[in-house]
Amino acid sequence: AQTVTQSQPEMSVQEAETVTLSCTYDTSENNYYLFWYKQPPSRQMILVIRQEAYKQQNATENRFSVNFQKAAKSFSLKISDSQLGDTAMYFCAFIESGGGGADGLTFGKGTHLIIQP
Amino acid sequence: GAVVSQHPSWVICKSGTSVKIECRSLDFQATTMFWYRQFPKQSLMLMATSNEGSKATYEQGVEKDKFLINHASLTLSTLTVTSAHPEDSSFYICSARGVLAGGLHQETQYFGPGTRLLVL
Repeated sequence: AQTVTQSQPEMSVQEAETVTLSCTYDTSENNYYLFWYKQPPSRQMILVIRQEAYKQQNATENRFSVNFQKAAKSFSLKISDSQLGDTAMYFCAFIESGGGGADGLTFGKGTHLIIQP
Repeated sequence: GAVVSQHPSWVICKSGTSVKIECRSLDFQATTMFWYRQFPKQSLMLMATSNEGSKATYEQGVEKDKFLINHASLTLSTLTVTSAHPEDSSFYICSARGVLAGGLHQETQYFGPGTRLLVL
């Protein structure tokens, strides 16, 4: 079974700073996808960024980028120029690929990120 | 694109009654829908996976007779909590994965806004 570990229950940074959220995972699969989802106080789950395991290049989406280290099974999220609206719970998630996606996402426990004005 | 709705957003019911929650993909066809449960300050836990036209697959520990799932079309899945009790009070979230078209990524799940259930 896959497991996803987020070791930082809560982080707090000043607005405009850069922050990195850590995520490690355990799997015996070679093909899979990794995601970061954001859950603001509204509790709507919002996709932040996605990484295919077969791609060596790290995914980026505007101020959000990942550091994907497949051998180390690490998938950290970097948020640059943090904004007040980035305050939310951030969940790292994993899913196998190519198996029809019969299983849902496996989530980490989340990191509560607080951006201070 | 990739909008998923849930109805109702809030429901309060008496113990022993049944509650139905709808999950709809509004602008894409959802080949698979997933139901998650989230307790306060915790992560999402997968309850079941449903594919259109077939029986749902439940995770270990989830009672299929209590949480009835129907996926009657490519845009609608329903979760019915039967004979609800206070311990069923939680936040229920659905997600949908669609066919690879219109910019949708096949392995990405798009989430509904969730339903808060309170059983008195």
